[in-house]
Amino acid sequence: QVQLVQSGSELKKAGASVKVSCKASGYTFTSYVMNWVRQAPGQGLEWMGWIDTNTGNPTYAQGFTGRFVFSLDTSVTTAYLQISSLEAEDTAMYYCAREDSPVYGLDYWGQGSLVTVSS
Amino acid sequence: DIQMTQSPSSLSASVGDRVTISCRASQTIATYLNWYQQKPGKAPKLLIYAASTLESVVPSRFSGSGSGTDFTLTISSLQPEDFATYYCQQSYITPWTFGQGTNVEIK
Repeated sequence: QVQLVQSGSELKKAGASVKVSCKASGYTFTSYVMNWVRQAPGQGLEWMGWIDTNTGNPTYAQGFTGRFVFSLDTSVTTAYLQISSLEAEDTAMYYCAREDSPVYGLDYWGQGSLVTVSS
Repeated sequence: DIQMTQSPSSLSASVGDRVTISCRASQTIATYLNWYQQKPGKAPKLLIYAASTLESVVPSRFSGSGSGTDFTLTISSLQPEDFATYYCQQSYITPWTFGQGTNVEIK
């Protein structure tokens, strides 16, 4: 069965970096792009961008350029989100979600990784 | 960016009620519209893609309709497990954008 398993909660100080992982199983990793979605506490869903798992080419939404980096390790079918120079406003749940094509939506999601930034 | 506007933002309903949630796009998105359900502390779950296609294992009491700019999610007979927040999302042009969510509460 398809599973996306994310790394656990992180508590970081402002200015530090964090790397969230998303381990995929149950399907051919390179057949689906991987999206990243942020949800601030009590707020809605915000698309951060995606990474092409075939080429490793990332696409970032406005507001997620510079400090945010998507990467892959296809040998272990894992996608990563790294955030540097953490700010209090980065406190949120971060989800990975796979996508076959725009027609089919984001059909499987990780359980989420909570990143908390203290000042 | 395409703006997605849901209405209402919240609603109270009883078990067995018919519930309708609207989603409007700021420009035409054909049928590139998806609906998700999110329960507290859980990841979103895809319910409907391409405006009206039910994801596998989603109960048939859920349905979606619309094209262009106006879309609707209908729950024909609300069940206890349906109390959640629902989001629409357009996948027509990046950046993908979500509606602000509709919280369905127990009356």
